[in-house]
Amino acid sequence: EDKVVQSPLSLVVHEGDTVTLNCSYEVTNFRSLLWYKQEKKAPTFLFMLTSSGIEKKSGRLSSILDKKELFSILNITATQTGDSAIYLCAVNRAGSYQLTFGKGTKLSVIP
Amino acid sequence: DTAVSQTPKYLVTQMGNDKSIKCEQNLGHDTMYWYKQDSKKFLKIMFSYNNKELIINETVPNRFSPKSPDKAHLNLHINSLELGDSAVYFCASRGQPNTGELFFGEGSRLTVL
Repeated sequence: EDKVVQSPLSLVVHEGDTVTLNCSYEVTNFRSLLWYKQEKKAPTFLFMLTSSGIEKKSGRLSSILDKKELFSILNITATQTGDSAIYLCAVNRAGSYQLTFGKGTKLSVIP
Repeated sequence: DTAVSQTPKYLVTQMGNDKSIKCEQNLGHDTMYWYKQDSKKFLKIMFSYNNKELIINETVPNRFSPKSPDKAHLNLHINSLELGDSAVYFCASRGQPNTGELFFGEGSRLTVL
């Protein structure tokens, strides 16, 4: 059974701080790892990672995958209150229709 | 234009009732999903259809029955509702069946009293 473990489960930081969220996984025939942000409603897609060592970046958010050590990190620099959300990590097995999600990291950014 | 839309957004009902949640996507995707998110925010797969064919059927009670009249629609019917069914149910679709990202609807919050 595929397994995704995120840490920490929750995190409180001040505006302007930099945070690193972790996602480790166990999956047979790994294809991709995805990051989502969930505020009040639907999870929204952030990144998809398939190759080790290649950083994906979008504004203050960036993510990288290590397929040897089976983990990914999501970095957020210069955090803002609008970054407060639950960040979800999911893995996709090759040939599978299913995405398996971790339990999420709840990030709270306080002014 | 909402890509994945679910109705109703909120549903409050009594134990023992039967209810349905509808989902429609206008993205032209072949694959659709139902996920359940519990109070701890854990997203768990329930069902998936690819082009109207059931492809994932996780261990959920028989009281839950998905129906896909066409590839743009995936509805969820729940019989004999129980307190533990209270959750947010998310519909999602995916363009490439086993490689692309999921696009989620806004969720349907079901409360069983």
